[in-house]
Amino acid sequence: ELKVEQNPLFLSMQEGKNYTIYCNYSTTSDRLYWYRQDPGKSLESLFVLLSNGAVKQEGRLMASLDTKARLSTLHITAAVHDLSATYFCGKGAQKLVFGQGTRLTINP
Amino acid sequence: DAMVIQNPRYQVTQFGKPVTLSCSQTLNHNVMYWYQQKSSQAPKLLFHYYDKDFNNEADTPDNFQSRRPNTSFCFLDIRSPGLGDAAMYLCATSRARTDIYTFGSGTRLTVV
Repeated sequence: ELKVEQNPLFLSMQEGKNYTIYCNYSTTSDRLYWYRQDPGKSLESLFVLLSNGAVKQEGRLMASLDTKARLSTLHITAAVHDLSATYFCGKGAQKLVFGQGTRLTINP
Repeated sequence: DAMVIQNPRYQVTQFGKPVTLSCSQTLNHNVMYWYQQKSSQAPKLLFHYYDKDFNNEADTPDNFQSRRPNTSFCFLDIRSPGLGDAAMYLCATSRARTDIYTFGSGTRLTVV
């Protein structure tokens, strides 16, 4: 059974700092997804990583995939308050299984 | 714009009173999913349809049923809602099981 684990589960950081969220998964499959969720809202797609070594960047967020280590990272550069949200990674070939989510709070 | 639409956005139902949530899509995607997301938890898959093929998750309670009368629509029926069924219900679609997922805006269900 596919298991997806994120850490940390809670992250409070100052504006301007850098940090990384980690996503480990138990079985190989072909895609890794990152989503953002604001309170009371649905999921917003951020990145889809297709293969080993994939790196995608959008603004202050960068995601990477290492299939050998079964690890994806979401790196936040020079955080700003607007990035405060919960971030989920997801994986699965036939159905999407999510990690527990990382609640990110960025303080001015 | 092609999209996934969930109605209603907010639903309040009485304990034990059947309720139906609806999802429609204009993407012509084969697969439609229903996820349950309780407060501060990750979304959990309840079931999905691949075309007309229904796939139930092993731990989905019998209280939850689904119907897909055509490609565009999928319904989630909760036969006897309990207080523990209060959650955000998310509908998603994909063109195939390994493709990009598109999520609707969700229906927040309150049980009183």
